[in-house]
Order: sequence, then structure tokens, then C-alpha cells
Amino acid sequence: KAGVTQTPRYLIKTRGQQVTLSCSPISGHRSVSWYQQTPGQGLQFLFEYFSETQRNKGNFPGRFSGRQFSNSRSEMNVSTLELGDSALYLCASSLEVVPYNEQFFGPGTRLTVL
Amino acid sequence: QKEVEQNSGPLSVPEGAIASLNCTYSDRVSQSFFWYRQYSGKSPELIMSIYSNGDKEDGRFTAQLNKASQYVSLLIRDSQPSDSATYLCAVRGALWSSGSARQLTFGSGTQLTVLP
Repeated sequence: KAGVTQTPRYLIKTRGQQVTLSCSPISGHRSVSWYQQTPGQGLQFLFEYFSETQRNKGNFPGRFSGRQFSNSRSEMNVSTLELGDSALYLCASSLEVVPYNEQFFGPGTRLTVL
Repeated sequence: QKEVEQNSGPLSVPEGAIASLNCTYSDRVSQSFFWYRQYSGKSPELIMSIYSNGDKEDGRFTAQLNKASQYVSLLIRDSQPSDSATYLCAVRGALWSSGSARQLTFGSGTQLTVLP
């Protein structure tokens, strides 16, 4: 079974631009979560989607948004990029069948903001 | 706010020894507990999940959970240099919970080095 895929793998943007990252979950997984990982803050939760609905949102500004499509693929968008947005953005999918709710991560998108 | 605490390390053990990684969590209603391994420059890889008190063994890895003490640990037996990585403890509430309780919360990770 193919794992979680994320595109693009690397991205370089300048301040003020916007960016869209894409995530395709493991086949059959309907839940997709997004995380930001930086050396200083570690892994921080951005948001979670299930069946096209945002179920949970972390403590990030409104510049960070996301959506999920009917095929469970998800995108996240960051508008008006700031230098501090440079990070590894990780997507994880899970099956959400009680009690097994392991999340499996994709390879990530490394975003550099200049 | 749910918190997950890990010793940041670094933890160094000789090849063949047992590495012991520890984690405590603050939310008493947490239901699911995970250990991820992350190599430098890579994404986290799930290596163990545990849901009930006691031990769970998988190959050289043993996860231990004590909900009364709000403590979860990972033992790596016969440590190999290839085990050198950062190990992340993660905690999650029940699937039926809402808000921050259901999100996966990570500790800051413990960096393990296995010396040949």
C-alpha cells in the first residue's frame, strides 16, 4: 500500500508570497492532519480534516488555512509568507477506526522563505 | 493545554545495550500513545503504539504504559548504530473527544546516539 505523499518536496518563496502544499493520504484513510516542524518549536499541530470538514485547528494565525477534497486529498495554504514560516510541513493520515488511530506521516514539504 | 514531556538528551548508549526513553503527559484522559522515530532530515516514522496499561513488545522495541502515573516509555534492546535518531513521544485523546483533546500532541523528542 502506498504511503502518504506530499508535493512539492521543497519550496523557496519570498516574504509576502503565498504557497499551497498538497497531501495525498494512504488509500482508505479519511483523516488528514497537518503539522509544522521547526528546530525551536518542535512539531506543532496546524489542523485536522475528516470527510472534507475541519475538525480541529491549532494555534496558528488565519494566514494558515486548509481544505480537504472528496477523495480525501488535502491542501494547505499559507498567505503573506513571513520569514518565520520557514519550516518542514508534515501531513499525516489515519484510518480513524476505534481504537486504532495511528497517524502516518508523509515525507514533508520543506519551505524556505527568503 | 495538553503537555507531553521528554528528556531532550542527548542520550548515548553503546552498541548492544538497552536504550530507555521516557515520556510523561499531563492530560489524564489521554487514550492513545505513540513512539515515532525521526532521522535527521526525514519525517517521523511510527514505531510503536500502545493503548492499554502494561508492556507491548515488537521485535527489539518494548513500549510500557502506566496511566496511573501518566508515564510511557520505550525500551530498545540490543541497540544498533542505525537506531541513532530522535525519538518522539506522542499522545492523543479518544476518537470521540473534541477540540485539543483529540489532536496528537508531541513531546520535544529525545536524541539517541548508539556508539559502535
